[in-house]
Amino acid sequence: AQRVTQPEKLLSVFKGAPVELKCNYSYSGSPELFWYVQYSRQRLQLLLRHISRESIKGFTADLNKGETSFHLKKPFAQEEDSAMYYCALVTGFQKLVFGTGTRLLVSP
Amino acid sequence: NAGVTQTPKFQVLKTGQSMTLQCAQDMNHNSMYWYRQDPGMGLRLIYYSASEGTTDKGEVPNGYNVSRLNKREFSLRLESAAPSQTSVYFCASREGERGGGYEQYFGPGTRLTVT
Repeated sequence: AQRVTQPEKLLSVFKGAPVELKCNYSYSGSPELFWYVQYSRQRLQLLLRHISRESIKGFTADLNKGETSFHLKKPFAQEEDSAMYYCALVTGFQKLVFGTGTRLLVSP
Repeated sequence: NAGVTQTPKFQVLKTGQSMTLQCAQDMNHNSMYWYRQDPGMGLRLIYYSASEGTTDKGEVPNGYNVSRLNKREFSLRLESAAPSQTSVYFCASREGERGGGYEQYFGPGTRLTVT
C-alpha cells in the first residue's frame, strides 16, 4: 500500500532549538518525496523535494530508503517557521499522497 | 500571473443544497486536482484531471462530480451537500511532465460549511 505517515500531530519547540519533523513512507517502487508547508491562512506551497537535495529556509530532508524515511530537519528553529508541514509521496505519474501533517509551533 | 484561483472563498450550505466550486489556473498546466483538507486527515484527493478532456477519481470521490471545462478551468460540484462534506477544498495544478518537476501549485482554498 502507498502510504505516508507523520506520527506527530503537534511539535512544540523553543526558538533556537533543533527541529525534526518525521515522515515515513510505504511504496514499492522508487519513491519521489516532497515537503509542503502551509503558513497560517495561506495556501500550501512546496518547501523541499528530495530529488534536488536543496536547503530551503534552513530546512533539509534526506531520503533514507533503508528506513523508508524522509525526515525534515532544521538546526535552529525560528518563530516564523510555525506552520503546518505535510510530507507527500508521488504515486504513479499523476498523484500525490499526503501525510496527515504536523503542526510546528515555535515559541519565543 | 495569478497562479491558481478559487471561488468562492467561503460558503455555507444547508443539507441537500447543491453548489459548484470553481478553479482556474493561468500557468498553462495540463493536470489539475481537487483535494479536501480535514483536521487529522491531511489532504485527500477527490478527483483529478490529467489533461483537458479527462477526469479520474481520487481517494474520496463519493458525493462529488467534476468538469474539466477547458485547459484552464476545473470545477467541483456537490449535487446534494451533506454535513460530512464540511471541509476546506483546495484546487491544485501541475505542469504534467515527468521528472523532477512534479510540483503541484495550490489555490487559496474554499472553506465550506454544510449545516
